[in-house]
Amino acid sequence: GAVVSQHPSWVICKSGTSVKIECRSLDFQATTMFWYRQFPKQSLMLMATSNEGSKATYEQGVEKDKFLINHASLTLSTLTVTSAHPEDSSFYICSASVEAPGTEAFFGQGTRLTVV
Amino acid sequence: GQQLNQSPQSMFIQEGEDVSMNCTSSSIFNTWLWYKQDPGEGPVLLIALYKAGELTSNGRLTAQFGITRKDSFLNISASIPSDVGIYFCAGHDSGNTGKLIFGQGTTLQVKP
Repeated sequence: GAVVSQHPSWVICKSGTSVKIECRSLDFQATTMFWYRQFPKQSLMLMATSNEGSKATYEQGVEKDKFLINHASLTLSTLTVTSAHPEDSSFYICSASVEAPGTEAFFGQGTRLTVV
Repeated sequence: GQQLNQSPQSMFIQEGEDVSMNCTSSSIFNTWLWYKQDPGEGPVLLIALYKAGELTSNGRLTAQFGITRKDSFLNISASIPSDVGIYFCAGHDSGNTGKLIFGQGTTLQVKP
């Protein structure tokens, strides 16, 4: 399958600081990537759709000013958690599809964010 | 919005036993995908289903896309300890936006 790489795998930051998470498609181009959030023992919750060259589309209830998404190239999307607070601590995962949206989706390794 | 109901929530079985889990929905999905997630990792795709009635195997795993497009099951035969993990069903929403809707997950534990 296709490879999606996320960096970093884990990060600890102080409350009030910002954290950037990168999602890269290593062997294919992705015009669309997706960002999910997962709480312990729960399923994945879609946060936003990242569109190359245009603004991201956020799901209802997700603060766009809190979670900044940039998709500057066909192989890279970034999620920045701004002014992080302890309640932002979570597992963040990105995904991308090789073919058109609606086909197989491949996920990154995930990023464990802990805000202290 | 569209939702997927996955069951059972958890299973504790003996090594060598077969396992079955399923997902249902009140609305139609165009694709069904089955993933496995290990602790601290992202989900890994196991099987993708695109046609109603489709039955697909991947080693000891078999999955089917229900004929009504509203359900799917995943079977694991002759379970082994490394099958331990959380299994998720997922479907692409009807708007064909590429968004994936996930089931609640089935936690599988295998006793050697």
